[in-house]
Amino acid sequence: QLVLTQSPSASASLGASVKLTCTLSSGHSSYAIAWHQQQPEKGPRYLMKVNSDGSHTKGDGIPDRFSGSSSGAERYLTISSLQSEDEADYYCQTWGTGSFWVFGGGTKVTVL
Amino acid sequence: QVQLVESGGGVVQPGKSLRLSCAASGFTLSSYAMHWVRQAPGKGLEWVTIISYDGTVKYYADSVNGRFTVSRDNSKNTLYLQMNSLRAEDTALYYCAKEVRGNSGAYWGQGTLVSVSS
Repeated sequence: QLVLTQSPSASASLGASVKLTCTLSSGHSSYAIAWHQQQPEKGPRYLMKVNSDGSHTKGDGIPDRFSGSSSGAERYLTISSLQSEDEADYYCQTWGTGSFWVFGGGTKVTVL
Repeated sequence: QVQLVESGGGVVQPGKSLRLSCAASGFTLSSYAMHWVRQAPGKGLEWVTIISYDGTVKYYADSVNGRFTVSRDNSKNTLYLQMNSLRAEDTALYYCAKEVRGNSGAYWGQGTLVSVSS
């Protein structure tokens, strides 16, 4: 079964970096994923697509301090130079057979 | 710029129906598959349905299969979600979203709220 696992929360200080992890279930380590950001009281916003080789394609207007990478079944989102507006929920998402979407449970990022 | 604007949400009694619309602009709707995703209050994102670029292929989450129907009118740049036999657990913000394709990323609407209550 295709499942994405995320830690429920993460925190880092203003100006620091934070690295979020999304783990693909067994047998699905070659899958690409996408990262979406949801700020409080707002709709989600697409950040980027991350491939199994670590290459990533960002959405329109996404700042350079957002980057993606991969290792095995893990996909990462790194936010550098953390800003107050980065405090949000971050969801990873992948594609099942027929291109339906599967979401992780989300990680709440707190900026200290 | 790409815009997706959902409408049609509201308060409805259990067992009743509601039809959501999603007006698309800023891109060629007929070139992209589209999704509906929902978010119950305080919860995470739940995928609901996908429709292919031409409307010929549709998939649904088990939780809505047989009750919800997705459709599109590319000539009107609009996506629809017909929701029948609504239940309390269908209460959520409903978002339409454009699929990723090549270097063209996903986009989301701002959502429309559906509340199922007696």
